[in-house]
Amino acid sequence: GENVEQHPSTLSVQEGDSAVIKCTYSDSASNYFPWYKQELGKGPQLIIDIRSNVGEKKDQRIAVTLNKTAKHFSLHITETQPEDSAVYFCAASEAGGSYIPTFGRGTSLIVHP
Amino acid sequence: KAGVTQTPRYLIKTRGQQVTLSCSPISGHRSVSWYQQTPGQGLQFLFEYFSETQRNKGNFPGRFSGRQFSNSRSEMNVSTLELGDSALYLCASSPMTGPQETQYFGPGTRLLVL
Repeated sequence: GENVEQHPSTLSVQEGDSAVIKCTYSDSASNYFPWYKQELGKGPQLIIDIRSNVGEKKDQRIAVTLNKTAKHFSLHITETQPEDSAVYFCAASEAGGSYIPTFGRGTSLIVHP
Repeated sequence: KAGVTQTPRYLIKTRGQQVTLSCSPISGHRSVSWYQQTPGQGLQFLFEYFSETQRNKGNFPGRFSGRQFSNSRSEMNVSTLELGDSALYLCASSPMTGPQETQYFGPGTRLLVL
């Protein structure tokens, strides 16, 4: 089955800095890679996703890059703000009828004011 | 539009009991998935229902079951609770149109088994 590794487990940055979280996956059939943000006491919230037919996707301060050959994808947050502090999860799956995502273990991002 | 709602939000049970959790998806969403989240195992897929049929199932014992009603609301049931079932149980729904993979999560039900 699919295996997703996520690093780092904790990331501490100063407000205004950039943050990068990396994930690797094992199943070459995976073609859908979402990123979720989970704040304390809440469920995960989809913040950005990418499909294997594109290499990069951007949404304001958030971007995701995908390297299919190396089987890794990364989340980039620029100009971090204290409200970006949360746990971030990556996931990988094969899009289609049988959608069973495999999640990374999560990265706790702490943005210091 | 109202988001995914889950009830109850918190639950305390004892070993051997059974529990039923409820999920109301976003209006118009027909797919509902359930996940278990624990510090040790992370986020793990339990099962997915679409149009009242279980479409996918994760690697969990038969004590975990679910169902979906004609209005897309879903319930999951855990029988003969074990201490290790203590977790946050998350429900996610997917839209009727567009990519089915786009999931919207509810706030979860935190279950504590004593």
